[in-house]
Amino acid sequence: NAGVMQNPRHLVRRRGQEARLRCSPMKGHSHVYWYRQLPEEGLKFMVYLQKENIIDESGMPKERFSAEFPKEGPSILRIQQVVRGDSAAYFCASSQTSGGDYNEQFFGPGTRLTVL
Amino acid sequence: SQQGEEDPQALSIQEGENATMNCSYKTSINNLQWYRQNSGRGLVHLILIRSNEREKHSGRLRVTLDTSKKSSSLLITASRAADTASYFCATSRRQGAQKLVFGQGTRLTINP
Repeated sequence: NAGVMQNPRHLVRRRGQEARLRCSPMKGHSHVYWYRQLPEEGLKFMVYLQKENIIDESGMPKERFSAEFPKEGPSILRIQQVVRGDSAAYFCASSQTSGGDYNEQFFGPGTRLTVL
Repeated sequence: SQQGEEDPQALSIQEGENATMNCSYKTSINNLQWYRQNSGRGLVHLILIRSNEREKHSGRLRVTLDTSKKSSSLLITASRAADTASYFCATSRRQGAQKLVFGQGTRLTINP
């Protein structure tokens, strides 16, 4: 059973370009979370999605950032018109159904975005 | 919003010694979890403690939780060079599928 997969692992963009980060959750997982980690800092929650629905986007910047988790295919985090401050590691995590007391989140290896 | 804070920010000890890291948070929680992150890698879940628990063990790991002080500690006994990593606490306010709020982390270095 493959773990959470993210691609690309490294992404370099120039200011003003678009960045697309992909996340394939673990098999059987229907919940996806995106986190951002700046150097030497902890992870900051961005958005929580289920298939075709955004459940919580309280950590997502209001402009330039969007996320989706379509019925088929991976979850996509999209950053338009990137700026240098967007340079960070972006981690995706997935978990099983929402029922029950606790659902462990399994993390992917991350995508390291560098904006030149 | 709640925000976990770990201390110390960095800890360097000799192999075989015990390492203790602390975490504080600001709001009520359902559970608190500890994660390890090796340099340049994703996070690995270590242990979860619920708000109604005070202490939990897993192998060489011991976690305590004091909800009155809104704090937790992670003890790694008989440390090994392979324990070198960053350690983060993360809290969840409710049960079920929920976002995690992470602390800043403690960078642990185990010297051989």
